[in-house]
Amino acid sequence: GAVVSQHPSWVICKSGTSVKIECRSLDFQATTMFWYRQFPKQSLMLMATSNEGSKATYEQGVEKDKFLINHASLTLSTLTVTSAHPEDSSFYICSPTSGSSSYNEQFFGPGTRLTVL
Amino acid sequence: QKEVEQDPGPLSVPEGAIVSLNCTYSNSAFQYFMWYRQYSRKGPELLMYTYSSGNKEDGRFTAQVDKSSKYISLFIRDSQPSDSATYLCAMSAGGGNQFYFGTGTSLTVIP
Repeated sequence: GAVVSQHPSWVICKSGTSVKIECRSLDFQATTMFWYRQFPKQSLMLMATSNEGSKATYEQGVEKDKFLINHASLTLSTLTVTSAHPEDSSFYICSPTSGSSSYNEQFFGPGTRLTVL
Repeated sequence: QKEVEQDPGPLSVPEGAIVSLNCTYSNSAFQYFMWYRQYSRKGPELLMYTYSSGNKEDGRFTAQVDKSSKYISLFIRDSQPSDSATYLCAMSAGGGNQFYFGTGTSLTVIP
């Protein structure tokens, strides 16, 4: 399977601060990046989809000004949670795909656990 | 109605048992079916991938898809304590369409 890394793996921050999460695809070029959020005992919820060099497309109910996504290169995408609040505490997981795939398989990063105090 | 339904469990079995995990879905356009294993505080790991109906076997794992019933299954033979995890089903119509995930079934294999 694809090798995907995320950094940091766990972050604790104060309410009102911003947190940046990095996702790297290590062995292929990710033309598309999916960002998911997973609350305890719940499934993955798609937050947004971004294509390299383009603006991200956000799912209904996800604030684009709060969750800033940058996908400036084929190996790196970042998700910035701005002015984080306790309700943003969750497990954030990225999933890159390459242009050669037909979206038949998805591989995931190891996830970033965000705790907002 | 949710796109994908999955019993969250928890499911607890003795070591060596056969485990059956299931999902049902409502969208007849789904063609691609996946099972993921997720350990606590980790990202999902792809276990099995199946296209359309039929069975697929990989070691102790067998995936079955019955499109007529909109029902998919994952069987784990000779279950091991290391199989203890949450198992997520996922499916897609393909062609760049969104993936839909089940809520996950928590499995514990007791030594």
